[in-house]
Amino acid sequence: AQSVAQPEDQVNVAEGNPLTVKCTYSVSGNPYLFWYVQYPNRGLQFLLKYITGDNLVKGSYGFEAEFNKSQTSFHLKKPSALVSDSALYFCAVRDTDSGGYNKLIFGAGTRLAVHP
Amino acid sequence: DAGVIQSPRHEVTEMGQEVTLRCKPISGHNSLFWYRQTMMRGLELLIYFNNNVPIDDSGMPEDRFSAKMPNASFSTLKIQPSEPRDSAVYFCASSWTGRSYEQYFGPGTRLTVT
Repeated sequence: AQSVAQPEDQVNVAEGNPLTVKCTYSVSGNPYLFWYVQYPNRGLQFLLKYITGDNLVKGSYGFEAEFNKSQTSFHLKKPSALVSDSALYFCAVRDTDSGGYNKLIFGAGTRLAVHP
Repeated sequence: DAGVIQSPRHEVTEMGQEVTLRCKPISGHNSLFWYRQTMMRGLELLIYFNNNVPIDDSGMPEDRFSAKMPNASFSTLKIQPSEPRDSAVYFCASSWTGRSYEQYFGPGTRLTVT
């Protein structure tokens, strides 16, 4: 079965330090991977995606993600965290069994808390 | 672009009442998804449409839930009758199948059933 795992419910980091939010996936065929962020009382916002090409993908707000095929991972990173990065982060993978539609399978989410 | 538009943003209703949630997808997008988010169950996909046709409604929890997409610019999610356990945030998202792969989410409708 296709799935996405976010092993950490919460990640705590000090402002200015690098941050990593982990994601692993299981999918048949080539993975199409995504990261979304959700601020309080808001909808999910698209951050970045990996479809093909360079394993390091850059996205909005200074975030980047590294695709690692051998480890089936797609970790979200940022070199220097801001308090305003505190939010709920979701990893997602395109469901390759959905017949070509853009159905996504989402992870459970990781809450990022950046402390001043 | 205005993004995905949902209305109402907040809805408070009494158990047994009918509730209708509305969504306008991004112009040009041909896929539309309805999700429900709760603390207990996280983000759940309820149903999705492609070119106004329902493709998979296996996530709809009960027959009390129904969804329609009469045209490319409008969709509704109806709950009749509503129950307290339906209280959640309902999101609509749209996508451009065949051109790109990400979904774009609306701001959500917070439903409270008392």
